[in-house]
Amino acid sequence: ETGVTQSPTHLIKTRGQQVTLRCSSQSGHNTVSWYQQALGQGPQFIFQYYREEENGRGNFPPRFSGLQFPNYSSELNVNALELDDSALYLCASSPAGAGTGELFFGEGSRLTVL
Amino acid sequence: AQSVTQPDIHITVSEGASLELRCNYSYGATPYLFWYVQSPGQGLQLLLKYFSGDTLVQGIKGFEAEFKRSQSSFNLRKPSVHWSDAAEYFCAVVPQFFGNEKLTFGTGTRLTIIP
Repeated sequence: ETGVTQSPTHLIKTRGQQVTLRCSSQSGHNTVSWYQQALGQGPQFIFQYYREEENGRGNFPPRFSGLQFPNYSSELNVNALELDDSALYLCASSPAGAGTGELFFGEGSRLTVL
Repeated sequence: AQSVTQPDIHITVSEGASLELRCNYSYGATPYLFWYVQSPGQGLQLLLKYFSGDTLVQGIKGFEAEFKRSQSSFNLRKPSVHWSDAAEYFCAVVPQFFGNEKLTFGTGTRLTIIP
């Protein structure tokens, strides 16, 4: 069984640039959630995708956007990067939109914005 | 709005000693409750969860947690810690029957184990 995989693992961008982070969900899981974890903080919910539709969004501006593909993989896009966007971005998958909070996390993509 | 408080930012425990990590939540109704662990450079792993029923729940790696409704608490315990337990521990909640996994996490407790 393949777990959640994310790419890239590390990347550095400058302010104003755009970034795309990718996530492959665990086998059999059709729901993907994205979280932002700033240094020294707990993860914060960005949004969730279920059946290629956004299914819930946290308190993040529209420059944070996402996609889910028919194979349930997902992308997180962030436009007009700001210094405060520097964080670990975690992708998590779960089976069949269960809504129970049992998430399977990837190891994250660490974004540094200079 | 719901919130999760982990009052201990950093705890140091000797190997073999017992451990208790505190978690309090604020929410109108009893949510689903979770403890996740994050080892250095790793993603989060679910340790245990509480949905309903028996208020003492068992998890992986010898951890357990007790839900106390009157105190809005869900404290994590382990009778004897191992050096491999050194990690960051996060308590999290999600409303029951909410329909998505919008977890609210606490700020975490970093656990250091000394030999």
